[in-house]
Formats: sequence, structure tokens, C-alpha cells
Amino acid sequence: KQEVTQIPAALSVPEGENLVLNCSFTDSAIYNLQWFRQDPGKGLTSLLLIQSSQREQTSGRLNASLDKSSGRSTLYIAASQPGDSATYLCAPDSGSARQLTFGSGTQLTVLP
Amino acid sequence: DAGVIQSPRHEVTEMGQEVTLRCKPISGHDYLFWYRQTMMRGLELLIYFNNNVPIDDSGMPEDRFSAKMPNASFSTLKIQPSEPRDSAVYFCASSFTGQQHQPQHFGDGTRLSIL
Repeated sequence: KQEVTQIPAALSVPEGENLVLNCSFTDSAIYNLQWFRQDPGKGLTSLLLIQSSQREQTSGRLNASLDKSSGRSTLYIAASQPGDSATYLCAPDSGSARQLTFGSGTQLTVLP
Repeated sequence: DAGVIQSPRHEVTEMGQEVTLRCKPISGHDYLFWYRQTMMRGLELLIYFNNNVPIDDSGMPEDRFSAKMPNASFSTLKIQPSEPRDSAVYFCASSFTGQQHQPQHFGDGTRLSIL
């Protein structure tokens, strides 16, 4: 059974800092991995999807990396802004069952 | 494009009542997922459909829960009878399978409170 761990659970940084969120998973047999953000009282917004054959995916100030063999992914946020404040969740897709397994998330606060 | 649409956004009802949650996936998507989110257990997959057919319902907690997808544009999740421990936010998501897996798109959720 896939287990996903996200570290840190919470993070508070001043505006403008670059930061890294970490995700580890136990079963490396995945098809892809998604990073989501969740704002309070809202649904999940997909940020990046990395296919298992890729090592990196970029969108604007966001860069996600994937090391499937070691069961790790990182989300790098450059030049953080207060609008980046949200909970960030990673979810590997265990393709045989077409299921996303979610970590408990990292709650990010960017202070102005 | 309209995203995944869920209704109602909030539901408050008394224990023992039947609850029906509704979802309209993004047009053209062939997968539909139902999730439940609680503080204690986080986000859990309850059931998912492919081309309107239930594929895996192993996450459905009890027989009190049932889900249907009568057509490509509509799905329901029903709880009968409801219990206070069913209180949670229920999300519906959909995705399209092309040559590569595509992102899952989530609705805004239904916040369910069972008194």
C-alpha cells in the first residue's frame, strides 16, 4: 500500500524567499506524480504533473522534480509571494489501480 | 471551460437521513473519482469510474455508501443512513486518459455535517 509523507508539515517564510517542499513515497511503481495546492474551504488545484519518465516539470515560478527510484519528489517555489500561501499536497499515481494517494500536505504561509 | 461542478456546496442534516451528493465532470473526461477529506485521515479515495463503470470501490467505508454514474455527465454519492462520523468534505474529480495520464481536476467539494 502506497504511503506518502510530506515534510515539513508547516512552513512560514518572508516574501521573496525561495523554498523547497519535500514529498516521499514508499512504492516507486508509479505512473506519475501530481502536486496540488488547496486554499482554505476550496478544492484542489493541480499545479504540476510529472510523468514517471520525466525528472522535472516547470510552470512559472514552480519547479517539481521526481526521483522515482528513491521515492522522492520536491516542489521548488521561487521568489515566494503572499498569494502562494496555501496547503500543498503531493500525490503519486499508482497506475495499476489508477489511484492518487495523498500526503497530509505542507501548510505554507508567506509573510508580506 | 466549466470545471467539475458539485452540489450542494454545503449540507447539514440529522443523523439517519439520506444524503445525496452530486457531481458533473468536465465534458470529455472518462474517469471520475470521489474522495473524502477529514482532519484525521486526510484525503481518501472512495471510488472511481471509467467510462461510467465503477472500477474500484474498495475505499467505500461501509454499505451505507453507494455511488452511481448513470451517464458520462453525472454521478451521485449517496449515504443512507447518515451518521455523525460521515461529516467531512466530499470531493469529486475527473480526468481524461490520453497517450499519457492527465491531471485530475477537482470540484470545490461538498461540506457535509451530520448532526
